[in-house]
Amino acid sequence: GAGVSQSPSNKVTEKGKDVELRCDPISGHTALYWYRQSLGQGLEFLIYFQGNSAPDKSGLPSDRFSAERTGGSVSTLTIQRTQQEDSAVYLCASSLGTGRVETQYFGPGTRLLVL
Amino acid sequence: AQKVTQAQTEISVVEKEDVTLDCVYETRDTTYYLFWYKQPPSGELVFLIRRNSFDEQNEISGRYSWNFQKSTSSFNFTITASQVVDSAVYFCALRPVGNNRLAFGKGNQVVVIP
Repeated sequence: GAGVSQSPSNKVTEKGKDVELRCDPISGHTALYWYRQSLGQGLEFLIYFQGNSAPDKSGLPSDRFSAERTGGSVSTLTIQRTQQEDSAVYLCASSLGTGRVETQYFGPGTRLLVL
Repeated sequence: AQKVTQAQTEISVVEKEDVTLDCVYETRDTTYYLFWYKQPPSGELVFLIRRNSFDEQNEISGRYSWNFQKSTSSFNFTITASQVVDSAVYFCALRPVGNNRLAFGKGNQVVVIP
């Protein structure tokens, strides 16, 4: 399809394990975003990539969270030593670039449950 | 910092009734964009509309309409003649020009009863 894709759609892991979440943006979109949606906090910004620029990591909640974007396309969000409070839906979005008029288009999300 | 408030957490309506979702925002930026997204049970956030802060013209798209009032910092969304397929969570969001992150409200859960 032409939309943002994410995998896996669901992930169950044990506390203390590492997880990797993948995002494939819309073809041609140079900007990529990660958000987290949890019951208590709503939708929160995590990190933003634009082309080859240094990512905006200001939304990452702790140093257990990291993300990379290889080749300016696919991105991986990694959570190390997962905690139960990491349980949430992780949403990825992409947009054309950082022009004045930008709309972010979202993927279906990865539902993470940490037991 | 930006703040978006959607006070109504859950709204139930009978099919064919109209429903209005309130969105009030706070920002120190003079130029910004406002958005509404729909999140159906499948979970994907679906873009509905983007509005520029310097354009207060209201917009209608089919059964959807939006009322932007800069003087009251509100960007309300009305669904006319609601249908069961409108059942979803609706999010209002704000993004200042030059800032790349969306600030979301908590969302409105709309339940349309057949």
